[in-house]
Amino acid sequence: GAGVSQSPRYKVAKRGQDVALRCDPISGHVSLFWYQQALGQGPEFLTYFQNEAQLDKSGLPSDRFFAERPEGSVSTLKIQRTQQEDSAVYLCASSLADSALPGYNEQFFGPGTRLTVL
Amino acid sequence: AQRVTQPEKLLSVFKGAPVELKCNYSYSGSPELFWYVQYSRQRLQLLLRHISRESIKGFTADLNKGETSFHLKKPFAQEEDSAMYYCALKAYSGAGSYQLTFGKGTKLSVIP
Repeated sequence: GAGVSQSPRYKVAKRGQDVALRCDPISGHVSLFWYQQALGQGPEFLTYFQNEAQLDKSGLPSDRFFAERPEGSVSTLKIQRTQQEDSAVYLCASSLADSALPGYNEQFFGPGTRLTVL
Repeated sequence: AQRVTQPEKLLSVFKGAPVELKCNYSYSGSPELFWYVQYSRQRLQLLLRHISRESIKGFTADLNKGETSFHLKKPFAQEEDSAMYYCALKAYSGAGSYQLTFGKGTKLSVIP
């Protein structure tokens, strides 16, 4: 079956523009994660959804970042008034089980969206 | 707060030579550690996890709680091992879920 998909794959925005990044998780996966990966860095956690509930948004860098997953499947990460420091690859990952529980729970990653803010 | 350190940004070895990618972690709880790999133009994928104690593609990693390390090893490097490797720690976020904390990654280059 299809893995996690993300769109667009590349996005160029002018500083100050709003952007919306989409993630389609693997069907039936309960947990969905967003990560930000700056150049030369590892992925950094942004936020976590369990179905439609956003249980953890501790990694969102500012109130310009907003994520939603209204029906418990597709998720959108929105960045308002983009800044140059928002330039990064945004990764989405999903996992079958509930990440609020300990134990093994493999995350499957999408290809990422590369955002460049000019 | 938890932290994962991968001291080498780039590691170059000759084909057939042993490989060791270093990973150290800092975490107050019981750690759960993983190695993820990203081959050229492919997505990030799980390579192995410490609790399974398995060997994947000839790679092994042992959790050493005394040294807080989880180094990735392979006795004989192959060209197809060239990739970016990330060590990751699963830790309780305190906000109701577990999250992965990644190191900065080590690029492994296997020279033919």
